[in-house]
Amino acid sequence: NFMLTQPPSVSESPGKTVTISCTRSSGSVADNSVQWYQQRPGSAPILVIYEDDQRPSGVPDRFTGSIDSSSNSASLFISGLKNEDEANYYCQSHYKSVWVFGGGTKLTVL
Amino acid sequence: QVQLVQSGAQVKKPGASVKVSCKASGYTFIDYYIQWVRQAPGQGLEWMGWINPDSGGAKFAQGFQGRVTMTTDTPTTTVYLELTTLTLDDTAMYYCVRGSGVSYSIGDYWGQGALVIVSS
Repeated sequence: NFMLTQPPSVSESPGKTVTISCTRSSGSVADNSVQWYQQRPGSAPILVIYEDDQRPSGVPDRFTGSIDSSSNSASLFISGLKNEDEANYYCQSHYKSVWVFGGGTKLTVL
Repeated sequence: QVQLVQSGAQVKKPGASVKVSCKASGYTFIDYYIQWVRQAPGQGLEWMGWINPDSGGAKFAQGFQGRVTMTTDTPTTTVYLELTTLTLDDTAMYYCVRGSGVSYSIGDYWGQGALVIVSS
């Protein structure tokens, strides 16, 4: 199995773009899809990116995802930051039907 | 619309068991796996396992094997999670999640969560 490592916290000002990384410890990040979830305080997580770079309907196009084989990591980009984007973000992948979550990143919008 | 509605909060003593329900609606119940994910207070997400409502087959995270049971009741489109021999560390919010896509690896809909408190 593998681990997914995220920075514990990131912060940025409204209107700016923030990047949250998710590094896979072993195996290739391209081998299994990566999903991203947003969790606001007191609420259940919601899916914001699936299959590396796909956006569910209803998620603003300010949210984009990508993977980079050279760094073996996935990234979530949020542009035009709004106060409502302040939340915890979790990456998730899978291997042989086992789900693996990153530790989560707290995004603070300054 | 797809909905997963979970049972309410429960308080249990150490050593007891807890059973959490998750009623699915708005889609064909047997076409999607249900995953279970828990979150201890102030902590991250922890995957517990999945159940295939069509076959009843299940797979559990290593740390829960022997202590967890997942079952389904197709007529009522309800999935159940039972966790035995509870300890204080099992205090958490328990989420059911619809698994879609390849290998049912995408958690596209989440229940509202069921809080389980283990306290003596």
